[in-house]
Amino acid sequence: KNQVEQSPQSLIILEGKNCTLQCNYTVSPFSNLRWYKQDTGRGPVSLTIMTFSENTKSNGRYTATLDADTKQSSLHITASQLSDSASYICVVRGLGGSQGNLIFGKGTKLSVKP
Amino acid sequence: GAGVSQSPRYKVAKRGQDVALRCDPISGHVSLFWYQQALGQGPEFLTYFQNEAQLDKSGLPSDRFFAERPEGSVSTLKIQRTQQEDSAVYLCASSLARILGPNEQFFGPGTRLTVL
Repeated sequence: KNQVEQSPQSLIILEGKNCTLQCNYTVSPFSNLRWYKQDTGRGPVSLTIMTFSENTKSNGRYTATLDADTKQSSLHITASQLSDSASYICVVRGLGGSQGNLIFGKGTKLSVKP
Repeated sequence: GAGVSQSPRYKVAKRGQDVALRCDPISGHVSLFWYQQALGQGPEFLTYFQNEAQLDKSGLPSDRFFAERPEGSVSTLKIQRTQQEDSAVYLCASSLARILGPNEQFFGPGTRLTVL
């Protein structure tokens, strides 16, 4: 069964610190992997999208990495800010099948404290 | 509008009541998706439209759920005879074209449905 597992479930860090969120997936064959940020009460907003041939992609203080061989991705947040407090969701799109069917992880809830 | 909008933002229904949730995608976006997000979980796929055609409805949990997009723009998700387990946030997303490639999906704010 295609799955996306994220860790940790939740994380608390101090403002200004860095953190790394993990995503493991079993979706195969694989088309692309996305990281979304979801603020409480809002819809998810895309941070990065990577195809299988991309190893890393940055968006400001967010850097995503992808190892398609081990089926692992990480999202690194540098110099965290209070506004980074949100859920971060890893989403994988497989090849074939329905074009609408993305596999979502359950998310990592990040809390940045002053 | 600038983004995907959904209405209502919040809906409280009595068990057994029918509800209709509306999604206004970004103008010109071909693809439209509905997702169900339970508390503390990631979104789960419900159904997908390309223009007015519903190409995949495999995620709809029961025949009480029905979605339409008659003119290829606004979409409505209807839930008949609501049950308590239908309580969730219903997210709508749109995309400019097919999403086989890394096309982005733009999400609306969601409708939070609570069934009492």
